[in-house]
Amino acid sequence: DAGITQSPRHKVTETGTPVTLRCHQTENHRYMYWYRQDPGHGLRLIHYSYGVKDTDKGEVSDGYSVSRSKTEDFLLTLESATSSQTSVYFCAINPQGWTSTDTQYFGPGTRLTVL
Amino acid sequence: GQSLEQPSEVTAVEGAIVQINCTYQTSGFYGLSWYQQHDGGAPTFLSYNALDGLEETGRFSSFLSRSDSYGYLLLQELQMKDSASYFCAVRDQNTDKLIFGTGTRLQVFP
Repeated sequence: DAGITQSPRHKVTETGTPVTLRCHQTENHRYMYWYRQDPGHGLRLIHYSYGVKDTDKGEVSDGYSVSRSKTEDFLLTLESATSSQTSVYFCAINPQGWTSTDTQYFGPGTRLTVL
Repeated sequence: GQSLEQPSEVTAVEGAIVQINCTYQTSGFYGLSWYQQHDGGAPTFLSYNALDGLEETGRFSSFLSRSDSYGYLLLQELQMKDSASYFCAVRDQNTDKLIFGTGTRLQVFP
């Protein structure tokens, strides 16, 4: 157990509304990631962070922003949710650093539905 | 860029051996990882191959051949609890991002 929690676990929202998902870790790991998972696409990286206030884009970052003001929290924001952002969102940490054995530990996921 | 191809579904019976293949097109990567995901659950790390060859962890083994752009996950003595989706992943040397395959759904029957 890597001590990762995500909130909320389920959310239904309407198109055009802002949504913020939270990832919280208890072990002060430097690297944190946000992925989305959709049928037929596997896991795709949205944004990642390599320290407080240090973030970078992944392969599907359009429509998403992130913030990391504390080591333990990594927030994912959908500024104006669209139906194409209906997905399962996973947060992950890599306790060994960026260029290591790629062992990532995932949170339980957030199922987001945008109507 | 990177692309990783896996069969979409594999079926087998309890006690059998199954191999899940991962073929990739890449200009360079650090290593090949495998993750397991049960329905409704989160992906969990299974194995990592930094070098060519076979890595064994209990009933699971993973293989990598860089010259053939190919890897596989081998599951032995299959159990019902092995029914899950399995993803291969590589870290792109150019972008330093972890790229996942689309996943293989394994169904184990009694």
